[in-house]
Amino acid sequence: NAGVTQTPKFQVLKTGQSMTLQCAQDMNHEYMSWYRQDPGMGLRLIHYSVGAGITDQGEVPNGYNVSRSTTEDFPLRLLSAAPSQTSVYFCASSYSSWETQYFGPGTRLLVL
Amino acid sequence: GIQVEQSPPDLILQEGANSTLRCNFSDSVNNLQWFHQNPWGQLINLFYIPSGTKQNGRLSATTVATERYSLLYISSSQTTDSGVYFCAVVFDRGSTLGRLYFGRGTQLTVWP
Repeated sequence: NAGVTQTPKFQVLKTGQSMTLQCAQDMNHEYMSWYRQDPGMGLRLIHYSVGAGITDQGEVPNGYNVSRSTTEDFPLRLLSAAPSQTSVYFCASSYSSWETQYFGPGTRLLVL
Repeated sequence: GIQVEQSPPDLILQEGANSTLRCNFSDSVNNLQWFHQNPWGQLINLFYIPSGTKQNGRLSATTVATERYSLLYISSSQTTDSGVYFCAVVFDRGSTLGRLYFGRGTQLTVWP
């Protein structure tokens, strides 16, 4: 049971490049979500999904896309990277939003 | 508006001391979690506690939902307790259902 896994661990992008951050879980959780963490702040919700085929926006969705084609995977796409998207990105999963959420190890992204 | 406030923002202790961290939230909740973010950035679940009291070793937590606050107690602190402690909630109302809101955290430093 690997829990929540994220790849890559680190990434450097140039402004304007696109990329996909991968997130997978093997706990059969319906609820998955993406957060970003900036220095001195708590985590902020980007997008979330309550099940395959269903996604919704969080607090800071601009510049990011998501899709949920399977229960296990929830990739986050940066369409055209900007320096303001330099952050640490965390993926989380749970059976539902009102139950314990489990976090992946994070992806550190630097946009130059 | 929606608020999750943690206090104190910083706490410095000597090994063996006890401490209390506080989380105030602005509305009724159906999920409240305490996390520890260690110096390597990993988010570790401490408690799922939307109401009541729980204990796990030297740590315990109490949530008084009717008064909209939660407390995390750390007894006999150790250097390995250092890091940032986050409170996160899911508010129990329609427009914010499914969204986990984080406080800004308490930075704890424990000296030997």
